[in-house]
Amino acid sequence: EVQLVQSGAEVKKPGESLKISCKGSGYNFTNYWIGWVRQKPGKGLEWMGIIDPRDSDTRYSPSFHGQVTISADKSISAAYLQWSSLKASDTAMYYCARHVSLIAEAAPWGQGTLVTVSS
Amino acid sequence: QSVLTQPPSVSGAPGQRVTISCTGSSSNIETTYNVHWYQQLPGTVPRLLICDNINRPSGVPDRFSGSKSGASASLAITGLRAEDEADYYCQSYDSSLGGVIFGGGTKLTVL
Repeated sequence: EVQLVQSGAEVKKPGESLKISCKGSGYNFTNYWIGWVRQKPGKGLEWMGIIDPRDSDTRYSPSFHGQVTISADKSISAAYLQWSSLKASDTAMYYCARHVSLIAEAAPWGQGTLVTVSS
Repeated sequence: QSVLTQPPSVSGAPGQRVTISCTGSSSNIETTYNVHWYQQLPGTVPRLLICDNINRPSGVPDRFSGSKSGASASLAITGLRAEDEADYYCQSYDSSLGGVIFGGGTKLTVL
């Protein structure tokens, strides 16, 4: 079964750093891109960026470029989303999802990682 | 403001047919880029409903169908059921932005 399993919920303070993960199984990890999507409480889906684990080619949404870093470690079939200095406005659910190409659909999705940033 | 425009809400009675539109531009839908649709039931992970404009992944009921014409795409749901009440999102690729784009989402209410 193809699965993306994300790391657990996080509670952080403003200014702290964070790295969340998305681990793929059931398929050849390097044959698919991994995208990241933000969903703030009660709001819609926002595409953040995407990475090709084969060569770490990464594209960012203009809204998130410079705000987050997306990386991957193909040796352990994992992709990551990290922040160097969190803000309260980063409080959201974050999903990873698999794409066969940059223009293709996203499926499956990870279960989501809830990040809460509060002082 | 999303690059793809969807109506914020639609509603219909059980058994009826509803459509949700997704309007883009020449840098996304109007070119060769496909449109994909997702359903997000309350409190759950988004689920792929339609890919490549018209294709249903296995397990998706044939009550759901997609179409695309020019700079717009549509999701149609026939034989509405209470369990269809959810948020629906369209997605494509934009060559000007160089990345994936989502519509703002449409909340479907089954009356």
